[in-house]
Amino acid sequence: NAGVTQTPKFQVLKTGQSMTLQCAQDMNHNSMYWYRQDPGMGLRLIYYSASEGTTDKGEVPNGYNVSRLNKREFSLRLESAAPSQTSVYFCASSISGSYNEQFFGPGTRLTVL
Amino acid sequence: AQSVTQLGSHVSVSEGALVLLRCNYSSSVPPYLFWYVQYPNQGLQLLLKYTTGATLVKGINGFEAEFKKSETSFHLTKPSAHMSDAAEYFCAVNSGGYQKVTFGTGTKLQVIP
Repeated sequence: NAGVTQTPKFQVLKTGQSMTLQCAQDMNHNSMYWYRQDPGMGLRLIYYSASEGTTDKGEVPNGYNVSRLNKREFSLRLESAAPSQTSVYFCASSISGSYNEQFFGPGTRLTVL
Repeated sequence: AQSVTQLGSHVSVSEGALVLLRCNYSSSVPPYLFWYVQYPNQGLQLLLKYTTGATLVKGINGFEAEFKKSETSFHLTKPSAHMSDAAEYFCAVNSGGYQKVTFGTGTKLQVIP
């Protein structure tokens, strides 16, 4: 049981480049989330997927897109990276709804130059 | 609307001393409250959560928290700090919205030998 996995672990991009962060969970959870973590700001929700086939914006969605590929996988895409998107990105999942325990992946550390 | 305030971005305690991490919340409805812990270079994991019922909640690793509605607080305590408790701790609140969890800005706990 791997839990929540994320790839890549580290990434350096130049301004304007695009990339996709991958996330997968093997716990048969319905809900999945993408957060970004910045020093002194805690975790902020970017997008979430309540169930397969649905996605919704969180607190800071600008500059990002998501795809819930199937029940297991939820990807986050940066179409044109900006230095303000330098952050640590966490994927999480819960059985159903964020009032249940969320299980977090190990994170992706992204630097945009 | 919901919000979380964690008092003290850094807390230092001696090994064996009491750990007290403060969290105050704002919620228009009875909240779900959480404490998560993040060890260096890892994702968050749940320490404990309050939903309804008993106001003193026990979690993993000897931590506990008490829900005090009159004070809108959910402080985290541990009677005796251990070196392995050094980590960052996040308080979080869910006011019943299906997907809306708000995290505090975190408190880094340093344990001094």
